[in-house]
Amino acid sequence: QVQLVQSGPEVKKPGASVKVSCKASGYTFGSHGITWVRQAPGQGLEWMGWISAYNGNTNYAQKFQDRVTMTTDTSTTTAFMELRSLRSDDTAVYYCARDLYGDPAYWGQGTLVTVSS
Amino acid sequence: QTVVTQEPSLTVSPGGTVTLTCASSAGAVTSGYYPNWFQQKPGQAPRALIYATNNKHSWTPARFSGSLLGGKAALTLSGVQPEDEADYYCLLSYGGARVFGGGTKLTVL
Repeated sequence: QVQLVQSGPEVKKPGASVKVSCKASGYTFGSHGITWVRQAPGQGLEWMGWISAYNGNTNYAQKFQDRVTMTTDTSTTTAFMELRSLRSDDTAVYYCARDLYGDPAYWGQGTLVTVSS
Repeated sequence: QTVVTQEPSLTVSPGGTVTLTCASSAGAVTSGYYPNWFQQKPGQAPRALIYATNNKHSWTPARFSGSLLGGKAALTLSGVQPEDEADYYCLLSYGGARVFGGGTKLTVL
């Protein structure tokens, strides 16, 4: 069965970077894209971007264009999302989701990133 | 910046029918926006329900259906169950980028 297992919670200081991982199993990794979504405490979902696990092509939300990098490692079937220059309003749960028919369908459990001085 | 708008909250009685909508500030929502719908319960990751306007995933209960209605994407729940109480989010595609709606809190009362 398709499984996405994300890395554990992180606490970072303002200005630092965080790299969240998303380990995929149960399918051919390169056949499906990965979407990253975040959710601030008590708030709605926010689409951050998408990466093709086949060729590494990316689409980022304009809001994060200058601060985010999404990558994949096919040897370990893992997707990564790095967010730089963290601010307090980046405190959120970050989710990865695998595509099905081009849309996010299978979701990871989420990773809480807390940004605090 | 494109804004996707949903009803903030709706209430429905068990066994009833309710329709949630999803509007785009860019104009009428069409199938070309590939509307998706997700359900999220407290403390859980979102769960995909509908993709590409009206297609159900293999795990989507039959009482959920997606459509286009009056220039908006719509999610209809027929025969609502208590376990359907949750937040519901739509997701629209704008070329390579996607935008979530603000979510609808559905109360079953």
